[in-house]
Amino acid sequence: AQSVSQHNHHVILSEAASLELGCNYSYGGTVNLFWYVQYPGQHLQLLLKYFSGDPLVKGIKGFEAEFIKSKFSFNLRKPSVQWSDTAEYFCAVKGFSGGYNKLIFGAGTRLAVHP
Amino acid sequence: DVKVTQSSRYLVKRTGEKVFLECVQDMDHENMFWYRQDPGLGLRLIYFSYDVKMKEKGDIPEGYSVSREKKERFSLILESASTNQTSMYLCASSSGLAAIYNEQFFGPGTRLTVL
Repeated sequence: AQSVSQHNHHVILSEAASLELGCNYSYGGTVNLFWYVQYPGQHLQLLLKYFSGDPLVKGIKGFEAEFIKSKFSFNLRKPSVQWSDTAEYFCAVKGFSGGYNKLIFGAGTRLAVHP
Repeated sequence: DVKVTQSSRYLVKRTGEKVFLECVQDMDHENMFWYRQDPGLGLRLIYFSYDVKMKEKGDIPEGYSVSREKKERFSLILESASTNQTSMYLCASSSGLAAIYNEQFFGPGTRLTVL
């Protein structure tokens, strides 16, 4: 069965620090990959997505993620975080196999950025 | 702007009650989903629907049922609520077209407490 693993459940950073959140998935075929973000009290919203092509994907608010097929990874990065990046981040994978294709979410990573 | 709305933000029910959670989307999306979100577990798919009157079980369907009588509306039903169904419930929708349109759009969530 497909699964998604997010390595860090809680991350605490100071403003201007660099961020990298790990995401690994288990699925050997073609995948679509997503990072969603949930700011306190708000809807879950899409941060960025990978379908094909350039494995380095840029999203909103200065975030980017790199798809490394050989490592089954899709890590999220931001060179310099801001207090407003405090949120919960979810990695999700859609695998293409027989039948309907579902999104599988990781457990999430709570990021707290201190001023 | 895609909009997914849920009937209640907060709901408190008693054990054994029948509970209806309603979700409406205004983007003419074919696919609709119900997830529950629990700390440390991420989002888990309960049921989804890819067409009116069609439904498919997700990963944790036990104790739940769904109804989709109209394209824009997808209801989650707890036949007899139990305390272990206390959770945040998220509705989402997505287009049924090619893979590039498979982004899911989420509602604000309903926080259900079962006493």
